[in-house]
Amino acid sequence: QVVLTQSPSASASLGAPVKLTCTLSSGHSSYAIAWHQQQPEKGPRFLMKLTSDGSHIKGDGIPDRFSGSSSGAERYLTISSLQSEDEADYYCQTWGTGTVVFGGGTKLTVL
Amino acid sequence: QVQLVQSGAEVKKPGASVKVSCKASGYTFTGYYMHWVRQAPGQGLEWMGWINPNNGGTNSAQKFQGRVTMTRDTSISTVYMELSRLRSDDTAVYYCARGSSSTPYYMDVWGKGTTVTVSS
Repeated sequence: QVVLTQSPSASASLGAPVKLTCTLSSGHSSYAIAWHQQQPEKGPRFLMKLTSDGSHIKGDGIPDRFSGSSSGAERYLTISSLQSEDEADYYCQTWGTGTVVFGGGTKLTVL
Repeated sequence: QVQLVQSGAEVKKPGASVKVSCKASGYTFTGYYMHWVRQAPGQGLEWMGWINPNNGGTNSAQKFQGRVTMTRDTSISTVYMELSRLRSDDTAVYYCARGSSSTPYYMDVWGKGTTVTVSS
């Protein structure tokens, strides 16, 4: 069973770049993932699907400042210039043999 | 535009069942899986299962097998999730989310959620 590991929290200053990490468990480094954003008191929103080679497909209306990349078992979400509305929880998600797994989420604070 | 509209909040007693609905619009209902995901207060996202609206096939997380039933009514583009034998730790917001067209196992559109409170 694949496991996704995320740091519980991250922070960065307004306008600064930030990179969040999602790590796939051993033996699952080829897996694609999806990133989802959950702003305070709102439902989740799909950001992008990200494959092991770093190619990504973004959801409708997702700003250009959001991008994804990959290295080995790590999947990254980069926000190039942090905005106040980016303060949110970010979840990575993957799948295998018909089942779905979420990471524990990273709470991003904009300083 | 694609929309998933969920039913309203529910309050249930322990041991009871709850049935949450999710009405889809703006796309071909039978062409996309639908997932159910829940979030307990202050906690992360937890996948419950999916239904294929085309043929009614389902798969659920082992944790919920025997307690969750997912169904659909194609005539009204609506899926349902029924959770039985409710406990206090089933108190959560329940989301439906559409599986993508390319790979059905990640979600590309989310509903706004339905709050289910289990309390005696």
